[in-house]
Amino acid sequence: QVQLEESGGGVVQPGRSLRLSCAASGFTFRSFGMHWVRQAPGKGLEWVAVLSYDGINRYYADSLKGRFTISRDESKNTLYLQMNSLRDEDTAVYYCAKGTQGTYIEGFLEWPSMDVWGKGTTVTVSS
Amino acid sequence: QSALTQPASVSGSPGQSITISCTGTISDVGGYNYVSWYQQHPGKAPKLIIYDVTNRPSGISHRFSGSKSGITASLTISGLQPEDEADYYCSSYRSSGTYVFGTGTEVTVL
Repeated sequence: QVQLEESGGGVVQPGRSLRLSCAASGFTFRSFGMHWVRQAPGKGLEWVAVLSYDGINRYYADSLKGRFTISRDESKNTLYLQMNSLRDEDTAVYYCAKGTQGTYIEGFLEWPSMDVWGKGTTVTVSS
Repeated sequence: QSALTQPASVSGSPGQSITISCTGTISDVGGYNYVSWYQQHPGKAPKLIIYDVTNRPSGISHRFSGSKSGITASLTISGLQPEDEADYYCSSYRSSGTYVFGTGTEVTVL
């Protein structure tokens, strides 16, 4: 069946880096855009980033200010999130999610909904 | 990026209908027909229940329906059941490839 499994979370000191992975199975990974979404403890969902099916177009939440990088490896069916200069406020459960279907919006292929989610991986930024 | 505005909580008795609103701006909800709704039970991952304002994914109950008017989208749950007790989040496309979630609504079945 269609599955996503995140890994790579843990406890990290402020200012350090961490890379999250999301292993995909049960669908043609190279055909779908992929998202990262996070949820701080007791808080709501926050969209983090999206990467197009071909790995070319990537977009981020303004709040990240260039600290995070989303990427994918088609040979491994894996999505990544490189997180640098981590801050206390980055503490959250990080989910990867599959785009439901590609939709052309203003001339660009976008992925406006997320139909499969992983169980999440927890990142704690603390000294 | 400010979140879309949802009521913090909504409640109803079994069998009743409830509606959750999701208010944005002309740059997101009002400008695009790409509003999604997600259900999240405690400790679980979110689950897509509505996409593109009104569409239900395969396997989602017909009791869930979505609509939009101007800058406000709505999720209606008909025939409320105990298992509908969860948090609900709206999401919208917001220009230039970015997305935004709502503040979330806790639904309580009385």
